Formats: sequence, C-alpha cells, structure tokens
Amino acid sequence: SQQGEEDPQALSIQEGENATMNCSYKTSINNLQWYRQNSGRGLVHLILIRSNEREKHSGRLRVTLDTSKKSSSLLITASRAADTASYFCATDEDSGYSTLTFGKGTMLLVSP
Amino acid sequence: DADVTQTPRNRITKTGKRIMLECSQTKGHDRMYWYRQDPGLGLRLIYYSFDVKDINKGEISDGYSVSRQAQAKFSLSLESAIPNQTALYFCATPSFLNYGYTFGSGTRLTVV
Repeated sequence: SQQGEEDPQALSIQEGENATMNCSYKTSINNLQWYRQNSGRGLVHLILIRSNEREKHSGRLRVTLDTSKKSSSLLITASRAADTASYFCATDEDSGYSTLTFGKGTMLLVSP
Repeated sequence: DADVTQTPRNRITKTGKRIMLECSQTKGHDRMYWYRQDPGLGLRLIYYSFDVKDINKGEISDGYSVSRQAQAKFSLSLESAIPNQTALYFCATPSFLNYGYTFGSGTRLTVV
C-alpha cells in the first residue's frame, strides 16, 4: 500500500515562481526522501531528511518535516523550465526492513 | 558507465512467455531492489535483496521471481507474462554517500 500521498497531483507555474509540494504519510519513519523523475526515466534522489530533523536545504530546494503531523513539504524556489518533472516522496519506515515506500507523485510543469 | 544498468530498455512480449529483466550495479552496495511503476500509482516494491543469500518479497511479488546471482547482479523474471504486468520496471540500490537510492533507467515492458 502507498505510504506517502503527494499533494497536489499536478502543479503548473511560471518560471521564477516557487513550487511547493506536500507529502503525507501514515507510519513512523526513519527518514523521508524526495526524488525527481523526468518523463519515463529513472528517478533521481534530491534530498533526505531524517526523522529528528525539521528542515533541510540543498541549493534551491527546501524540505520540511513535521513528524507530529506525519507530513513533509518540498519547496523549489525560483523555478526553471528544467524543473519540469514528477516529484515523489518516499519514506523509510521505522520497521527495520529498510525499504522505501513511494507516493504517487506530483507532476510539476514550469512554463517559460 | 552508469551506476545501475538495466537491460533491456524496452521489450514487447506475448502473454504466457517467460521474460527476464536484468540489473547490474557498480555502487558496491549489498542491497538491491526491484520496483514497478504504473501511471498514477507511483512505484511499488516487487522484491528486494539485502545480500546474495537474502531475498524478500515486496508489496506485489505475485507473478514475479528474482535471482541474485552476485552482489552486483539482481534479475527479475516473469514466469508467464500477462497483460496487466505491462509497466515500467526499475532496479535500484542505495548510495553510501547520501543513503538515497540510485535507480537504473528502467525497462519498459509491454505484454500483448
């Protein structure tokens, strides 16, 4: 079953605007990760945030984690057309099995 | 060379045929995973392996089998392919650097 659920399912913005995607999950986790997928290609790891962290930055990416609400957000600042892709959150559950459970993704379209 | 290599990239096969998807990695990690992606459903875990002698079923293992021939090689087989196994298949292995997964480019499988 899906652990993470991204919101919105699709997002369309103009270049230069910020894009925010949200992820909710159901069980306790060791960490939460965000991935990008360009059309039909392999997923690329963007950032990992551990359960004891609240915020993390990497370049134009900012990730927050609220374990009390079981939610995370990914903010992409100053979006570019090249950011057009699907974005997935994935959770490493605190179950000892160390597998990632993926959400259904948010499709981001950045128009020039 | 890519860190995770999947072959073939595309495959069309007939219902009832046996097919093997192959994956090899140069990351040196013991853990390897097979995921399936369907439109609108995100990625779902089929099988995973924590070392050559450790094979585990994932969320959707029915109709699939795997073989871990070596630390670097993990193959997925469909013993008797059916049309609802038409999907994009990904192999992945963790990164020692950032603990995220490195994915292969995927195999697009069509069962007719």
